[in-house]
Amino acid sequence: NAGVTQTPKFRVLKTGQSMTLLCAQDMNHEYMYWYRQDPGMGLRLIHYSVGEGTTAKGEVPDGYNVSRLKKQNFLLGLESAAPSQTSVYFCASTQDRRTGELFFGEGSRLTVL
Amino acid sequence: GQNIDQPTEMTATEGAIVQINCTYQTSGFNGLFWYQQHAGEAPTFLSYNVLDGLEEKGRFSSFLSRSKGYSYLLLKELQMKDSASYLCAAHILTGGGNKLTFGTGTQLKVEL
Repeated sequence: NAGVTQTPKFRVLKTGQSMTLLCAQDMNHEYMYWYRQDPGMGLRLIHYSVGEGTTAKGEVPDGYNVSRLKKQNFLLGLESAAPSQTSVYFCASTQDRRTGELFFGEGSRLTVL
Repeated sequence: GQNIDQPTEMTATEGAIVQINCTYQTSGFNGLFWYQQHAGEAPTFLSYNVLDGLEEKGRFSSFLSRSKGYSYLLLKELQMKDSASYLCAAHILTGGGNKLTFGTGTQLKVEL
């Protein structure tokens, strides 16, 4: 039972490079989320999805794009990475809109030089 | 806007009791989550309060007052393994979905 899986776990990029973070969940959850976590800032919501084919902006969406072509996958893209995007990224999912408990992936540590 | 406040750091002694407070001002509020996060790991679920009052789960209890916009997490019989960050999160229901807005976390250090 894998739960929520994020790839890659670690990545180092140069400024201006692009990359995609993949989140996969095997729990048939409708809702999926991408958060970033920075020291002293807590978890901040980047984008989220309420179902296959839908996406919505969170608190800090600038510089990121997302896609939810399949229900089990939620992709986070950085088109032109900046040092300010150095962070730990967490994907999460939930099935129940009313109780909302999030199940988190293990995180992806991204460094932009 | 959404605003969630909790202390940045707390220190307590092994075997003691500690209370971590959280205040919130949000729209669309449905409930209050507490998560535990050890360094370098993902957050893990501790509790969820929708109704006012205290909910107890083993050594951990969580309290909610919706009228005061206030919650606390109570940890009893502290153990060294309880050293972690504790995240307070407001569960927000939007038009079509739901999301969690997190506080910055309280770093708890348990000492001998």
